[in-house]
Amino acid sequence: GAVVSQHPSWVICKSGTSVKIECRSLDFQATTMFWYRQFPKQSLMLMATSNEGSKATYEQGVEKDKFLINHASLTLSTLTVTSAHPEDSSFYICSARTGTGDNSPLHFGNGTRLTVT
Amino acid sequence: GQNIDQPTEMTATEGAIVQINCTYQTSGFNGLFWYQQHAGEAPTFLSYNVLDGLEEKGRFSSFLSRSKGYSYLLLKELQMKDSASYLCAVNSGFQKLVFGTGTRLLVSP
Repeated sequence: GAVVSQHPSWVICKSGTSVKIECRSLDFQATTMFWYRQFPKQSLMLMATSNEGSKATYEQGVEKDKFLINHASLTLSTLTVTSAHPEDSSFYICSARTGTGDNSPLHFGNGTRLTVT
Repeated sequence: GQNIDQPTEMTATEGAIVQINCTYQTSGFNGLFWYQQHAGEAPTFLSYNVLDGLEEKGRFSSFLSRSKGYSYLLLKELQMKDSASYLCAVNSGFQKLVFGTGTRLLVSP
């Protein structure tokens, strides 16, 4: 069964509005979650590492003021796309590990398809 | 920098064997993962290699050569449902996975 739950599965919003995406770990605590973005026919690009109780770590080129990440509890991380524009339309996927070893694979949520009109 | 390369697309016939290659140059290496991703869905874990050699899991096998910065995923007895993208990902340290460009595999009857 699913170990990471992501909501919503898809969202359509108007340009200039903000959208919040939730990522929950089921039956395990995730001190660290990862947010990825995937454009059509491209691979996953890591946006940021979400750390429970502290600030997220953003990858180079990702605007931290535009993509707000909050990891308020051990089972929930949220990504808010602020002042969304059509170029932000993409597939956003969160992930987490159930273990701490290097061989522990990432488990992905089902993703959120964002369309900005 | 981080660089992970895979072929963009491959085609194969049902029942055949296909090998998907991945070469990598990363600042750190704590293992290599292979994921399968069907269109519009999240990736699912296939295999993990950290030591040189071959790991076999049913119809799927994965090979790693750390000295060459090279891995491959071998799919045997191909089925139509194997049509998907296959993503090579390197654990570059601090638990971060860096993904390759992905290989779209099309299996035909």
